Amino acid sequence: AQRVTQPEKLLSVFKGAPVELKCNYSYSGSPELFWYVQYSRQRLQLLLRHISRESIKGFTADLNKGETSFHLKKPFAQEEDSAMYYCALPTQGGSEKLVFGKGMKLTVNP
Amino acid sequence: EAGVTQFPSHSVIEKGQTVTLRCDPISGHDNLYWYRRVMGKEIKFLLHFVKESKQDESGMPNNRFLAERTGGTYSTLKVQPAELEDSGVYFCASSLRGTGPSYEQYFGPGTRLTVT
Repeated sequence: AQRVTQPEKLLSVFKGAPVELKCNYSYSGSPELFWYVQYSRQRLQLLLRHISRESIKGFTADLNKGETSFHLKKPFAQEEDSAMYYCALPTQGGSEKLVFGKGMKLTVNP
Repeated sequence: EAGVTQFPSHSVIEKGQTVTLRCDPISGHDNLYWYRRVMGKEIKFLLHFVKESKQDESGMPNNRFLAERTGGTYSTLKVQPAELEDSGVYFCASSLRGTGPSYEQYFGPGTRLTVT
């Protein structure tokens, strides 16, 4: 069964520090992975997807099939990065439904 | 564009009552999804519509939940009778119709349901 694990619930850093939000997945075949973000009082929105291979708001994520990981990284965190971050995986079989990790709350302190 | 909208934003009902949640997807989006986040747990899939047809309802917890999407536009999710464990945030998402999972799902703001 497809599964997404975000091992840490909370991460608190100071502005300018590097951040890494961990995500591990379980999937047979070639997965497609996403990071979603929910800022305070805003809706859940797509941050980035691995097939795009792009950097959004300074964040990057590399798919590591050997380690079955898709960690989200940013070299210099900003206060506006404070939010809930969810790693997600679309399931196989045509439904395209998303399987989410439990989420991680990132707090960037001034 | 307003994006996906949901109504109400918050609902407080007593155990045994009925509640109906509504979702209006982005115009032109054939795919409509319902998800739920129960406190302390991950966001979980409930069901998926393609236009007015139920593509996948494997995540519906039991027969107290009924979802409809008449005419392939807005969708309703009715809980009858509500139980305490139904409390949580119900999200709706929509996406363009596609043959693979690459189409971004756009989420609504959610409806916070509290059953007392």
